Amino acid sequence: NAGVMQNPRHLVRRRGQEARLRCSPMKGHSHVYWYRQLPEEGLKFMVYLQKENIIDESGMPKERFSAEFPKEGPSILRIQQVVRGDSAAYFCASSPTGVVDSPLHFGNGTRLTVT
Amino acid sequence: DQQVKQNSPSLSVQEGRISILNCDYTNSMFDYFLWYKKYPAEGPTFLISISSIKDKNEDGRFTVFLNKSAKHLSLHIVPSQPGDSAVYFCAASPGGGADGLTFGKGTHLIIQP
Repeated sequence: NAGVMQNPRHLVRRRGQEARLRCSPMKGHSHVYWYRQLPEEGLKFMVYLQKENIIDESGMPKERFSAEFPKEGPSILRIQQVVRGDSAAYFCASSPTGVVDSPLHFGNGTRLTVT
Repeated sequence: DQQVKQNSPSLSVQEGRISILNCDYTNSMFDYFLWYKKYPAEGPTFLISISSIKDKNEDGRFTVFLNKSAKHLSLHIVPSQPGDSAVYFCAASPGGGADGLTFGKGTHLIIQP
């Protein structure tokens, strides 16, 4: 897990604030995925990105959530005007290819708490 | 509607015995299945996978069985060791892209000494 770096590990935000979650993929990996885990739930796919492109955002809420993976720097998941229901663990994963038989490598997650 | 179901939230097994974790799915389009293991405060770690063209895949102490007609798969761990205590997630994909992974809610495996 150490290969995919996520920060911060813990993030506390008040309702209405913005949350920015960062993910640096493993070296050599150009495919990044964001998943969200609500309490007592499994991981839910949010978005799949390659450098500078969003490939699949079918799991992203339509409002307040956005993601990017710029040419330089980490991938960012941005949540605007956070609400209590956004409290969850957000996991980033990376892969050298986009195919399913190249297993995803997950980071240790960012635990977002909205107060 | 849950497409991947792990009906046992927890399972307790004695060290040295066999652990069997079960997973059911409803989507007939799923053709690739994976198991991930997760320790507290860490991200999931890939364990083993199986394609729908197979009914069994083995890797050391871990074996995954797939019954396509029953839409059921299971993970066998033998012998179970204390370090196997973790939450195990079953995941399925309709094939092709890794972005299509659908996860179950997980089973917390506890290995008792």
